[in-house]
Amino acid sequence: EILMTQSPAILSVSPGERATLSCRASQSVSSNLAWYQLKPGQAPRLLIYGADTRATGIPARFSGSGSGTEFTLTISSLQSEDFAVYYCQQYNYWPRTFGQGTKVEIK
Amino acid sequence: QVQLQESGPGMVKPSETLSLTCSVSGGSINNYYWSWIRQPPGKGLEWIGYIHSSGSTKYNSSLKSRVRISVDTSKNQFSLRLSSVTDADTAVYYCVKDRLGDADFDFWGRGALVTVSS
Repeated sequence: EILMTQSPAILSVSPGERATLSCRASQSVSSNLAWYQLKPGQAPRLLIYGADTRATGIPARFSGSGSGTEFTLTISSLQSEDFAVYYCQQYNYWPRTFGQGTKVEIK
Repeated sequence: QVQLQESGPGMVKPSETLSLTCSVSGGSINNYYWSWIRQPPGKGLEWIGYIHSSGSTKYNSSLKSRVRISVDTSKNQFSLRLSSVTDADTAVYYCVKDRLGDADFDFWGRGALVTVSS
């Protein structure tokens, strides 16, 4: 099973600042990586797939990069609605596996 | 826009079977893959398995012996059954649309908390 490791566990950021989240795979997953946003009481939202492709309706301030084992989700200017927990997920191998999440909180 | 809604008992006794149903609206269940994903309290997300509208399934090997996912295309629903539950099965269970069947998940339900307790 592919282990996905996210860092940091908690990221404290002020509104308007840039947030950079990392995700590392235990072996290469090519570009088969997605990012999700989870908020309490809401349906989780797909942000990025294929490592760098924004899902439908996702604002341009969200961007993904990387390939192989190292990936990054960048939120260029944090808005109030962006404070949430973010998960990466690989789909290069079965079973599909997720990271443990990064909580983006208000500084 | 596809919407998913989980339904089922919020509490199950140890050793019994957990059953949840997902109702799909805003689109047809046909010709797509549909998954269940869970998140135990304070832990990460775990993919449980999927079903295609044709009835073909694939399960996470960690749960395979206890899981069954079924589909009812006439009702636009799919269901999860997890047998012989223990405390470790306490989690928020999400029903999810698979974007391609072997990739990411593009639509999610809000999740249903199921607690295993006597």
